[in-house]
Amino acid sequence: DVKVTQSSRYLVKRTGEKVFLECVQDMDHENMFWYRQDPGLGLRLIYFSYDVKMKEKGDIPEGYSVSREKKERFSLILESASTNQTSMYLCASSLLLRDEKLFFGSGTQLSVL
Amino acid sequence: DQQVKQNSPSLSVQEGRISILNCDYTNSMFDYFLWYKKYPAEGPTFLISISSIKDKNEDGRFTVFLNKSAKHLSLHIVPSQPGDSAVYFCAATGNTGTASKLTFGTGTRLQVTL
Repeated sequence: DVKVTQSSRYLVKRTGEKVFLECVQDMDHENMFWYRQDPGLGLRLIYFSYDVKMKEKGDIPEGYSVSREKKERFSLILESASTNQTSMYLCASSLLLRDEKLFFGSGTQLSVL
Repeated sequence: DQQVKQNSPSLSVQEGRISILNCDYTNSMFDYFLWYKKYPAEGPTFLISISSIKDKNEDGRFTVFLNKSAKHLSLHIVPSQPGDSAVYFCAATGNTGTASKLTFGTGTRLQVTL
C-alpha cells in the first residue's frame, strides 16, 4: 500500500513566519505534487516535481517555493506566511511520468494568524 | 477561470437509490478524466477514470459517462450506500509532456441518507 505522509495534521503560524510543510512517500514514485484545497475552489496545484531537484510551477505558485533533495521527500515552503495562505495543503505522488492516479496524504490544515 | 466545474456543491440521496454527480469542462485539450472521493480528515482517493476514446466506464457500483460534444461527464453510483457519503472531485488532464497535471473541480458533497 502506498503511503504518503504529511508531517503535521494541524499547524498554526503567525504572519511573516517561514513555514515548512513536509511530505514523504514510501513507494519510489517519480512525481510529487502540492495542492491546496479551499472551499468553493476545489484543489489547486501549487508546484510539482517529476524528479529529484526538478520542479515546475503549478497554477498558483506565488508565495510558495519547493524543495526535492531526495526522491521520497517533497517540501513546500512559505517564505513569509500570509493570512490568505490559510488553507488545507495536500501532498500527492504518482508512479509514472504520465500517471493520473495520484496518491494523496491526509493533508495539513494551516492557519496563519 | 474554472476549467472544470461541478455546479452542485451538495447532493442528498436515499440509500439504495441512484446518485448522479455532474461535471463540466471547458478545455478541449483534456483527454482523460477522473473522479476522486474524499472523506473528512483524509486525502482524496482515486475512484474511477475514463479516457476520451470511450464514452462509458464501469467499476462495480460506479459508472462514469463522458459526452465529449457537450464537454460533460457524470458519475453514477448504483445503489447508493451510506459509506458513499463523501466529497467527490472531478478532475481532468491533457497531454502535458511531463508529470500529469490534474485540474480539479470544486467538489460535490454527497450525503446518502438511510
